[in-house]
Amino acid sequence: QKEVEQDPGPLSVPEGAIVSLNCTYSNSAFQYFMWYRQYSRKGPELLMYTYSSGNKEDGRFTAQVDKSSKYISLFIRDSQPSDSATYLCAMSADTGGFKTIFGAGTRLFVKA
Amino acid sequence: NAGVMQNPRHLVRRRGQEARLRCSPMKGHSHVYWYRQLPEEGLKFMVYLQKENIIDESGMPKERFSAEFPKEGPSILRIQQVVRGDSAAYFCASSRAAQETQYFGPGTRLLVL
Repeated sequence: QKEVEQDPGPLSVPEGAIVSLNCTYSNSAFQYFMWYRQYSRKGPELLMYTYSSGNKEDGRFTAQVDKSSKYISLFIRDSQPSDSATYLCAMSADTGGFKTIFGAGTRLFVKA
Repeated sequence: NAGVMQNPRHLVRRRGQEARLRCSPMKGHSHVYWYRQLPEEGLKFMVYLQKENIIDESGMPKERFSAEFPKEGPSILRIQQVVRGDSAAYFCASSRAAQETQYFGPGTRLLVL
């Protein structure tokens, strides 16, 4: 079993839809949870960073962490074609850094 | 402020040749990380370096792969005697300190013929 599981998609939604992206994990020591966005042929860029359980909101993006279920989510409201990318979840037991484990990424397509 | 820079962006090598991938961290960053990404897979940690020191190389294959981050100049990931299975995208990231956010470069896409 992989430490981090993420559905690769692809996920196709119409413009304006609410998108839900999810990851599950097995290591209960993970404390730091991140979402990266990666456009085609580009490097990943950090979108959201949360510590332990709870919600964090930034504009159209909301990250949720449920440590009891070992489940994290990223919600995108009012999705735009420019949101079309691969979204990678990542997590670590330390304060980020080199022990970060990445999910395989979910490809999202937002149709105009 | 330039971001993390990697070159070359694309590299083609024949089996048995050497591949050298370069990474210049963001200004003010002294921590460098190398990752490999295969199609449909996530980023796999390879090695973590600070200036002139390898801090953790637990993700590096034991043979043919090496990395350095000299006092002056970019970090180098070297792959000797490349094989087809080395074909992948190699990403470098940098951070100001070990506990801080990593910023990724655009990657080098290695193709071994």
